[in-house]
Amino acid sequence: NAGVTQTPKFRVLKTGQSMTLLCAQDMNHEYMYWYRQDPGMGLRLIHYSVGEGTTAKGEVPDGYNVSRLKKQNFLLGLESAAPSQTSVYFCASSYSTTGLEAFFGQGTRLTVV
Amino acid sequence: TQLLEQSPQFLSIQEGENLTVYCNSSSVFSSLQWYRQEPGEGPVLLVTVVTGGEVKKLKRLTFQFGDARKDSSLHITAAQPGDTGLYLCAGGDAFGNEKLTFGTGTRLTIIP
Repeated sequence: NAGVTQTPKFRVLKTGQSMTLLCAQDMNHEYMYWYRQDPGMGLRLIHYSVGEGTTAKGEVPDGYNVSRLKKQNFLLGLESAAPSQTSVYFCASSYSTTGLEAFFGQGTRLTVV
Repeated sequence: TQLLEQSPQFLSIQEGENLTVYCNSSSVFSSLQWYRQEPGEGPVLLVTVVTGGEVKKLKRLTFQFGDARKDSSLHITAAQPGDTGLYLCAGGDAFGNEKLTFGTGTRLTIIP
């Protein structure tokens, strides 16, 4: 079982460039999330989705956009990358936030120079 | 904004010792989960607690959800090197917003 797959795994961007991170899950989960993890910190929620066609802002949404056109995919976009967006990005999916497990991808390490 | 503060941030102890990690908030959560994360990997779920006052045991690990559903603790008995990792608590939103909020993390190192 693939679970949650993130692409790419590594990326280096120049300031001002744009890119899209792709998250795909094969578990038919309704909920999907994008987090960023910085050194010495836990996970901070960027955006999330409670179903196909819906998205909502998390704690740190500025500078990011998302789309959930298909239930299995959740895309995270950076329109104009900044060095402050250097981080490890994790995608997760779950049936629900109430007592059920969130499954994570292996992360995307993004460096903005 | 719901915040989950974990303490301590770093903990390094000898193999065989006991330890407790805390996860505290001023907000109420519908459920509380604990994850462990290895380097280069995503977090993996250890346990979920959903009822105030609930206690769950997983071998040498004991998890407790506070009565008011605002805090939780993780106790490890006779720590082993395999317990080394980043421990994260996560709270399910109690207001129907369907968010999963993570704590600040505790990095645990068990010295053989």
